[in-house]
Amino acid sequence: GQNIDQPTEMTATEGAIVQINCTYQTSGFNGLFWYQQHAGEAPTFLSYNVLDGLEEKGRFSSFLSRSKGYSYLLLKELQMKDSASYLCAPFREYKLSFGAGTTVTVRA
Amino acid sequence: DTAVSQTPKYLVTQMGNDKSIKCEQNLGHDTMYWYKQDSKKFLKIMFSYNNKELIINETVPNRFSPKSPDKAHLNLHINSLELGDSAVYFCASSRGPTSTDTQYFGPGTRLTVL
Repeated sequence: GQNIDQPTEMTATEGAIVQINCTYQTSGFNGLFWYQQHAGEAPTFLSYNVLDGLEEKGRFSSFLSRSKGYSYLLLKELQMKDSASYLCAPFREYKLSFGAGTTVTVRA
Repeated sequence: DTAVSQTPKYLVTQMGNDKSIKCEQNLGHDTMYWYKQDSKKFLKIMFSYNNKELIINETVPNRFSPKSPDKAHLNLHINSLELGDSAVYFCASSRGPTSTDTQYFGPGTRLTVL
């Protein structure tokens, strides 16, 4: 929704790295959030980028290019508990807009 | 300690009924939100209140009426429920309404309209 594009599904093996790309409309853009949502649960905050570059938080990193309207979430050393939906959410016009999410399945 | 709580967690009701969902946050935040997540998993903002004042009112049927009695509470009342209202409704709160204020979500209320 809201011109936010991210892949629908990704599958990876435990211990591997996965990169979830997100593109969005740049007009009125003011920052980008990534949320994790396990099935049947609430979204939980993962990361926030407002300036270009990489933000690292343990096994998770997020990158932003404002001029390109592009972000990615990098998940390293995947664990089974990382199987979830990952939501890209640009903040535009005083509100968060959420993408449909990328369902990541981690296999043993 | 629950940060953002909602009641009820599940709500099953008949078409045409009126129902309310309650939300409370103990984070001391000034801003609260209601989101709807439909069966396709899109999470969409419905309303936002900052210091008890309505600041975001998306294109939502006027059967939906939010009420904020104080900064820690934001309730959602729905009149004349329809089948299409079936969804998960999430409450959220943030320190303020700006882009640097992270939003924290409640556990959700799964509404099923029969």
